[in-house]
Amino acid sequence: KNEVEQSPQNLTAQEGEFITINCSYSVGISALHWLQQHPGGGIVSLFMLSSGKKKHGRLIATINIQEKHSSLHITASHPRDSAVYICAAGESGSRLTFGEGTQLTVNP
Amino acid sequence: DTAVSQTPKYLVTQMGNDKSIKCEQNLGHDTMYWYKQDSKKFLKIMFSYNNKELIINETVPNRFSPKSPDKAHLNLHINSLELGDSAVYFCASSKGLAGTQGTQYFGPGTRLLVL
Repeated sequence: KNEVEQSPQNLTAQEGEFITINCSYSVGISALHWLQQHPGGGIVSLFMLSSGKKKHGRLIATINIQEKHSSLHITASHPRDSAVYICAAGESGSRLTFGEGTQLTVNP
Repeated sequence: DTAVSQTPKYLVTQMGNDKSIKCEQNLGHDTMYWYKQDSKKFLKIMFSYNNKELIINETVPNRFSPKSPDKAHLNLHINSLELGDSAVYFCASSKGLAGTQGTQYFGPGTRLLVL
């Protein structure tokens, strides 16, 4: 069993739909990271959070420390949101442990 | 200006060869990382340096040797390349440690193919 588990592994949505990707972790963390990997391979950091909720444009990330669970929400999804979304647990020190990623496809 | 750059972007080589990948960041960050992404797109940390000091050294064959000549550079040298080394290698940097001040800035990746 991975220390960081994501669901679903694959997600197909229609443009405009509300999307949720879930992440559960079993390790103690200092922060939880959400990353986006574009179809071309580049990786960008979307959020780093240790409590509560963060919002950036149409993206919202939440975390429940007691339940060791985080969610990434995308409102009004668009085909350009199609990418792999990766959750990573930031443990004390410098270690990131990654989930296997969620492949999101948004159809027009 | 590119924040985290890696060279080369593509590397095709024969088994048994020795190769290096270079990484530079111009963000003034203290921490740099090497990650390996396998064919299933799973990312795994290999090494991490903080202020030129090695702080994470995962279970990686000792054919892989990182070198940090200064805070802005973290190079990866691989000896005696094997087929299983084929992967995408990402360099990244963060202001502080990944757990606390660690928003990650990734390089574009180096696609290594060992024939």
